Amino acid sequence: DTGVSQDPRHKITKRGQNVTFRCDPISEHNRLYWYRQTLGQGPEFLTYFQNEAQLEKSRLLSDRFSAERPKGSFSTLEIQRTEQGDSAMYLCASSFQAGGPRDTQYFGPGTRLTVL
Amino acid sequence: GQSLEQPSEVTAVEGAIVQINCTYQTSGFYGLSWYQQHDGGAPTFLSYNALDGLEETGRFSSFLSRSDSYGYLLLQELQMKDSASYFCAVRDRGTGGFKTIFGAGTRLFVKA
Repeated sequence: DTGVSQDPRHKITKRGQNVTFRCDPISEHNRLYWYRQTLGQGPEFLTYFQNEAQLEKSRLLSDRFSAERPKGSFSTLEIQRTEQGDSAMYLCASSFQAGGPRDTQYFGPGTRLTVL
Repeated sequence: GQSLEQPSEVTAVEGAIVQINCTYQTSGFYGLSWYQQHDGGAPTFLSYNALDGLEETGRFSSFLSRSDSYGYLLLQELQMKDSASYFCAVRDRGTGGFKTIFGAGTRLFVKA
């Protein structure tokens, strides 16, 4: 399977705990995005990497959220001191940007987080 | 800020044509994309418009008018499998790079 993969697929945690999710993009894709999606809503942009550089981060994102892409390949999203409002599907997407305006994003299956 | 508006629900019959509209407000518009998402699945890319006009890909077409901040997705020869949520998404240039802002989605119900 050469698509975007995410791990774990499901995570249940207690409020106040830290969680970390991993995303493996399509190989050779230089852009990687993290989104959060709740039921009945569209994906909400969290952050985006071009290679290993984090170029954009949503102002909606609190300091409890951090993302890394240390070698420009896989990425991790960490949520510290989880709150019940963090319960959502966390989606990762990747794309290959060759210089034009087009940006076709390929999404992974997501990690569903439930905070009790 | 950025915002997108699209209808919450559309119902159509099999074999018909349906149009899903999207209006947007953004400061650094770069292009408009459309994604399909089935229940329990991940969004999948359908089309992208950076310039005014119509883009056709099989049964799906997408239109953009930058001057009107408006676009639409046209689905022809509807099939039952087209029942899904459809999202318009604006590619917006932020301070450091690009971000993609999604609408809330339009749920399409295709009836026999």
